Amino acid sequence: DAKTTQPNSMESNEEEPVHLPCNHSTISGTDYIHWYRQLPSQGPEYVIHGLTSNVNNRMASLAIAEDRKSSTLILHRATLRDAAVYYCILRDYTGANNLFFGTGTRLTVIP
Amino acid sequence: KAGVTQTPRYLIKTRGQQVTLSCSPISGHRSVSWYQQTPGQGLQFLFEYFSETQRNKGNFPGRFSGRQFSNSRSEMNVSTLELGDSALYLCASSTTISRTDTQYFGPGTRLTVL
Repeated sequence: DAKTTQPNSMESNEEEPVHLPCNHSTISGTDYIHWYRQLPSQGPEYVIHGLTSNVNNRMASLAIAEDRKSSTLILHRATLRDAAVYYCILRDYTGANNLFFGTGTRLTVIP
Repeated sequence: KAGVTQTPRYLIKTRGQQVTLSCSPISGHRSVSWYQQTPGQGLQFLFEYFSETQRNKGNFPGRFSGRQFSNSRSEMNVSTLELGDSALYLCASSTTISRTDTQYFGPGTRLTVL
């Protein structure tokens, strides 16, 4: 699976939008972009995924660059509960089912 | 619908012992994957089971093994425990082995090897 690059940490003020970047310059045409997050003392949880077009769900939005070499996870209004490690993962839909986690971005939300 | 459950939640063992961890997937899910999480290596894939067959395996020694039962429940076993096996072991389930299926994680089993 192709690798991703994320900042180690980011901070955001509560109730402000957060943009979490992810670079994946070696992405292939069969790679989906997935985001998972891991809250303290919990297992990872799914956030959102997309292939080419921007995606929205109740948790977040995913903006994908036109060349697909980067993407941004957008939390529209950060809450204290959003403090977590966010992982950007590429999943080749022709490959193995397992997830390859990188180091992720640790998001701190400041009250 | 109940989530993924893992038992036990905490375990303390000594070097040389063996341990068995259990995972019950979400009802209707047939794929179960196992991951190891350590501060140094992060989250690493161990193996995946679907329909009682191991479909994929990560880069771990043969001391790590697993199995899946006909009801989709899964167990993983670590024999001859080493200090470095201390970790959070996470189980994830998904509906099928489709690469676009969401994986749902359990809370993990925290294993400490003394």
